Amino acid sequence: GDSVTQMEGPVTLSEEAFLTINCTYTATGYPSLFWYVQYPGEGLQLLLKATKADDKGSNKGFEATYRKETTSFHLEKGSVQVSDSAVYFCALEGYSGTYKYIFGTGTRLKVLA
Amino acid sequence: DTGVSQDPRHKITKRGQNVTFRCDPISEHNRLYWYRQTLGQGPEFLTYFQNEAQLEKSRLLSDRFSAERPKGSFSTLEIQRTEQGDSAMYLCASSPDRGRVEKLFFGSGTQLSVL
Repeated sequence: GDSVTQMEGPVTLSEEAFLTINCTYTATGYPSLFWYVQYPGEGLQLLLKATKADDKGSNKGFEATYRKETTSFHLEKGSVQVSDSAVYFCALEGYSGTYKYIFGTGTRLKVLA
Repeated sequence: DTGVSQDPRHKITKRGQNVTFRCDPISEHNRLYWYRQTLGQGPEFLTYFQNEAQLEKSRLLSDRFSAERPKGSFSTLEIQRTEQGDSAMYLCASSPDRGRVEKLFFGSGTQLSVL
């Protein structure tokens, strides 16, 4: 079945460092790919998305490119801030008779001032 | 847009008891999902509805779990004969989309503790 694999955390970075959180997926067909973020004490919210190969999703300085050849959707940010400290979830929506929206295990990011 | 509402926020129960959670999606959202999240893990898919029809149900959802969305608006998730392993955050999400989902809107969840 469809699945999402994320790099394990926690990831600890200094402010202004470069961030990469790896995400790979397994799916039949052409899934849509997403990154969600969960800030401390808050619910999950959509950060960015890409619906087809080579699309780049971007929001709040974060970017991710849908790479079908490597089945990846890595999250990047050029310069992280303390306020980016949160848990990041990679997700996909695939179709195999019905739509199914599944999440990875999450990667906790801690940014130090 | 009042957001997705879940009730209760917290539930403590004894092993063997039945519990029921309620989710009110954003008005006119067709799609409604239930997920379970344990500490340090991502949301695990349980089931989803398109209007009142339950279209998909995870193998994780044993026969002790049942979900309904009788009029295509609010939904309930019932767990019968709770076990300690049922302790988790139960999340509800909704979407206005009929086909591919562009975005899920999540509620704050119901934290279940089974003693």
